[in-house]
Amino acid sequence: AQSVTQLDSQVPVFEEAPVELRCNYSSSVSVYLFWYVQYPNQGLQLLLKYLSGSTLVKGINGFEAEFNKSQTSFHLRKPSVHISDTAEYFCAVTYGGATNKLIFGTGTLLAVQP
Amino acid sequence: DTEVTQTPKHLVMGMTNKKSLKCEQHMGHRAMYWYKQKAKKPPELMFVYSYEKLSINESVPSRFSPECPNSSLLNLHLHALQPEDSALYLCASSQGPGLAGGQIPQETQYFGPGTRLLVL
Repeated sequence: AQSVTQLDSQVPVFEEAPVELRCNYSSSVSVYLFWYVQYPNQGLQLLLKYLSGSTLVKGINGFEAEFNKSQTSFHLRKPSVHISDTAEYFCAVTYGGATNKLIFGTGTLLAVQP
Repeated sequence: DTEVTQTPKHLVMGMTNKKSLKCEQHMGHRAMYWYKQKAKKPPELMFVYSYEKLSINESVPSRFSPECPNSSLLNLHLHALQPEDSALYLCASSQGPGLAGGQIPQETQYFGPGTRLLVL
């Protein structure tokens, strides 16, 4: 079955430190990858997406992600986090075919400490 | 503009009440979605509308009744809910299927802020 794995349920990090949130997906010929962020008591906001082309994707708020087909990964990175980055981060995938059904990972809580 | 709006922000209802959630977008999108999200969990897809027609129903109980009166509006009618239905209900929209009718997996879904529902 198609799936998305976010192994880290919570990532604590100090302010101004770098961070990487991990995402792995089950292999497929064609895959489209998304990272969404959910701040407390809010909806989901698109951070970035990979559809095709360059494997390094830049998003909003200084985040970037790299699509690695051989490792079936799409890890999210930021070189220096702020307190305001504290939120839940969801990796999501759609697969080529007849549907655009998003398959979500279980989410990673990024907890930035002063 | 990638805004999806939802009303109300919060809703408290008893198990015998009838209420409705409303979602609106003005991006010209032709696909709209309802998701349910429990605390500390990812969103779960409930319904998908494509060109105002229901295209996906993820085996949702009949106490949830979706309606798409036009291409900009999506409603979710609630009746005889259970306490376990308490959750954040999210609406999303995307561009929609192409002329061939098939859905486009590359589409980006844009989410609204959600309605937080409490069933007593």
